[in-house]
Amino acid sequence: AQSVTQLDSHVSVSEGTPVLLRCNYSSSYSPSLFWYVQHPNKGLQLLLKYTSAATLVKGINGFEAEFKKSETSFHLTKPSAHMSDAAEYFCVVSANQFYFGTGTSLTVIP
Amino acid sequence: GAGVSQTPSNKVTEKGKYVELRCDPISGHTALYWYRQSLGQGPEFLIYFQGTGAADDSGLPNDRFFAVRPEGSVSTLKIQRTERGDSAVYLCASSPGTSGRWETQYFGPGTRLLVL
Repeated sequence: AQSVTQLDSHVSVSEGTPVLLRCNYSSSYSPSLFWYVQHPNKGLQLLLKYTSAATLVKGINGFEAEFKKSETSFHLTKPSAHMSDAAEYFCVVSANQFYFGTGTSLTVIP
Repeated sequence: GAGVSQTPSNKVTEKGKYVELRCDPISGHTALYWYRQSLGQGPEFLIYFQGTGAADDSGLPNDRFFAVRPEGSVSTLKIQRTERGDSAVYLCASSPGTSGRWETQYFGPGTRLLVL
C-alpha cells in the first residue's frame, strides 16, 4: 500500500531564511515521489520528482529534496525563502494514481 | 504548448441535479486522471483512463459518479443526483502514458463545484 504523511500542516518562515517541509512515505515497492505546489486559485505545479536516478533531486525555484530510504523520508528544502514561495505544498507517492499528503501551508513573513 | 484545460471553472447546482465536468488533456497524452479536492485536503484519486478505457475506477465514491473518455482524448466526469457533500474542486490531470508510475502528471486548474 502507498501513503504519504506530511508532518506539518503549517510552516511559517521569515523571508531569506531556510525552508524545510517534511514528508514521510510508505510504499509497497521502490517509490516514485513528487512535490507539487499549489498557489491560491492556481493549478498544481510540479516542483520536482524522484525516480531513483539520484537521491538529491533539484527542482524549480531553488527547491530540492533528498530521498532517504532508511528514514522513508523525502523532505523538501530551500536555502532562502522568498515571498512568492507562500503556497500549499503537497508530497505525492505514485502507483499510477497519485497518493497525496494532506498538504503543508507555507507562510513567508516579510 | 497548451496545458490541461477544464470547463467550467465554476459550477453551482442544486441538490439532486445532474452535472457534467469536462477535461481536455494535453494533446497526445494517453493517460488521464480525475481527482477530488475537498477544502483543506489533498486531492483524492477518483479514476484513471489509459486511452478510452477506465484502467482503475476504484476511487469513485459510489454509483452516482461516472466518467467517460470515448475517443481517448476529452473526458467527462458525470455526477447524478448531486449531494451537498459532493461540493469540492474536481481536478483533471494527464500524462504521456508510457512510463507508468514514474510519470509526471500535469494538472488542470480544476472545476469548483458547489451543491446548494
